Amino acid sequence: GENVEQHPSTLSVQEGDSAVIKCTYSDSASNYFPWYKQELGKRPQLIIDIRSNVGEKKDQRIAVTLNKTAKHFSLHITETQPEDSAVYFCAASTGGATNKLIFGTGTLLAVQP
Amino acid sequence: SAVISQKPSRDICQRGTSLTIQCQVDSQVTMMFWYRQQPGQSLTLIATANQGSEATYESGFVIDKFPISRPNLTFSTLTVSNMSPEDSSIYLCSADTSGANVLTFGAGSRLTVL
Repeated sequence: GENVEQHPSTLSVQEGDSAVIKCTYSDSASNYFPWYKQELGKRPQLIIDIRSNVGEKKDQRIAVTLNKTAKHFSLHITETQPEDSAVYFCAASTGGATNKLIFGTGTLLAVQP
Repeated sequence: SAVISQKPSRDICQRGTSLTIQCQVDSQVTMMFWYRQQPGQSLTLIATANQGSEATYESGFVIDKFPISRPNLTFSTLTVSNMSPEDSSIYLCSADTSGANVLTFGAGSRLTVL
């Protein structure tokens, strides 16, 4: 089955700096790669996703890149703000009938003001 | 966007007892997913619940321990049976309410087993 690895497990940056979180997946059939943000005590919330037919997607200060050949994808956050502090999870799915998401181990991002 | 409601939001349970968590979606969905999130950990898929058929369990999870019901297209329950302290976790249900493979999560049910 699918296995998703995520690095780093913790990341501390200064406000205004960029943050990059990387994930690798094992199942070459995976075609959907979302990123979720989970604030303390809250539910995971989708922040951006990418499908296998594109290599990059941007939404304001966040972007995701996908390299299907290498089976890895990354989350990029620019101009970080204290409110970006949270745990970020990557995930992968093969879509189709099962449509189940397998999550990475998570990255605790701390943005220091 | 669709709302996913879970209850209870939290509970403290005694070892050996069972607890049923309810999940309600405000739109019809084909599949509902149950995840477990142990303290400080990631989300682990327990099972996928389809209406009208038995749930599909992931490796390491069995029906006797985590029976699931899916009586209609908007509702599901997960029971945590014969609980032990190791079952202390947050249990989340989720569903694709957009039809575009995008999972939305309920707020979670935090169980503490003493």
